[in-house]
Amino acid sequence: QQQVKQSPQSLIVQKGGISIINCAYENTAFDYFPWYQQFPGKGPALLIAIRPDVSEKKEGRFTISFNKSAKQFSLHIMDSQPGDSATYFCAASWVYNTDKLIFGTGTRLQVFP
Amino acid sequence: DSGVTQTPKHLITATGQRVTLRCSPRSGDLSVYWYQQSLDQGLQFLIQYYNGEERAKGNILERFSAQQFPDLHSELNLSSLELGDSALYFCASSELVRSETQYFGPGTRLLVL
Repeated sequence: QQQVKQSPQSLIVQKGGISIINCAYENTAFDYFPWYQQFPGKGPALLIAIRPDVSEKKEGRFTISFNKSAKQFSLHIMDSQPGDSATYFCAASWVYNTDKLIFGTGTRLQVFP
Repeated sequence: DSGVTQTPKHLITATGQRVTLRCSPRSGDLSVYWYQQSLDQGLQFLIQYYNGEERAKGNILERFSAQQFPDLHSELNLSSLELGDSALYFCASSELVRSETQYFGPGTRLLVL
């Protein structure tokens, strides 16, 4: 019940295309859903996050779509660029369990020019 | 640069040995988290400290322990090391006991031979 399932494991997109990464969860107590971006040799960095009271959040080219009834959320990267090539992790946490983040397994995104 | 520092960057040791990983959180951050990243397990939460006190425990082995000192830096001690302990160990910090953003350090890559 504490798992966050992420797909796909890897993604290859052409420059200018849309990258979509999906995550699903079981625990309805989760109340915070961040996405982290990790470049090789670096630690994960917060990219964008959403709470269940909204269905969508957009920051620049990055959008989170959230479907509470389906217990799914996804990251959309519009106009994907080679510089977006990284590993993306979805995560979840809940208020009664401090800030412990439960991470998905990661998606390796490669954007080709 | 997240402002979180970790030392050493790389560590090579033998089975059965003991190592200490060190983390300095961002200035002003009271919470420190430790995560293990391995190829087959992804990012796993190990333990959280808040202002010197243990706050939450995850999948941390009994051979592992951590502490947070009065100056808020933290150490993760790994003992009786096994081959399977080879992984990237990340430290993250946040301002409060429950903060939306965790800032990750660059990690320590541990190789157990």
